[in-house]
Amino acid sequence: NAGVMQNPRHLVRRRGQEARLRCSPMKGHSHVYWYRQLPEEGLKFMVYLQKENIIDESGMPKERFSAEFPKEGPSILRIQQVVRGDSAAYFCASSPQGYSNQPQHFGDGTRLSIL
Amino acid sequence: KNQVEQSPQSLIILEGKNCTLQCNYTVSPFSNLRWYKQDTGRGPVSLTIMTFSENTKSNGRYTATLDADTKQSSLHITASQLSDSASYICVVSARAGANNLFFGTGTRLTVIP
Repeated sequence: NAGVMQNPRHLVRRRGQEARLRCSPMKGHSHVYWYRQLPEEGLKFMVYLQKENIIDESGMPKERFSAEFPKEGPSILRIQQVVRGDSAAYFCASSPQGYSNQPQHFGDGTRLSIL
Repeated sequence: KNQVEQSPQSLIILEGKNCTLQCNYTVSPFSNLRWYKQDTGRGPVSLTIMTFSENTKSNGRYTATLDADTKQSSLHITASQLSDSASYICVVSARAGANNLFFGTGTRLTVIP
């Protein structure tokens, strides 16, 4: 499968724990985007990364959330000390170039549930 | 304020019938408009992408139109199939920045036999 791979597909955490969501972009894609989707709402941009660089994190909450895209390995979205309001579907997308006319290819998301 | 609004919110049609979904936007400056299909529990999949100069684009039974003057787009589905049941999301890209994508909340289409 050469598509965007996200894991885990489902993640359950208790309040106060940490959640780590992984995203492997399509082969040849070096641009990764993270989005959050709440029930009955549209996707909301969180962060845009290139290899080893955060390009735009204007959609990321200022606290508890961080993202990285190391030289080797998948991109990681990390949520520390999770709260109930973090329950959502988190989607990752990738593109070969970082221009707005480039299609983004989405993974199937990680559904995060906070108990 | 940059916004994308879709209508209707949900739609139920009989298998074999046609339908049209609407998207109005206020995003400026405009770069392109995309329609995505999102099956339940899956990520969005791109159907079409149109730039300012394109009025229509087809992908099989899906035909998207764009009126950049009125800032409206539509997605027409011909001879619907049960597998067309999904959410259809309109996404508008602003110039200047790859992250400047504005998502509509989608139209939930249900095709019944």
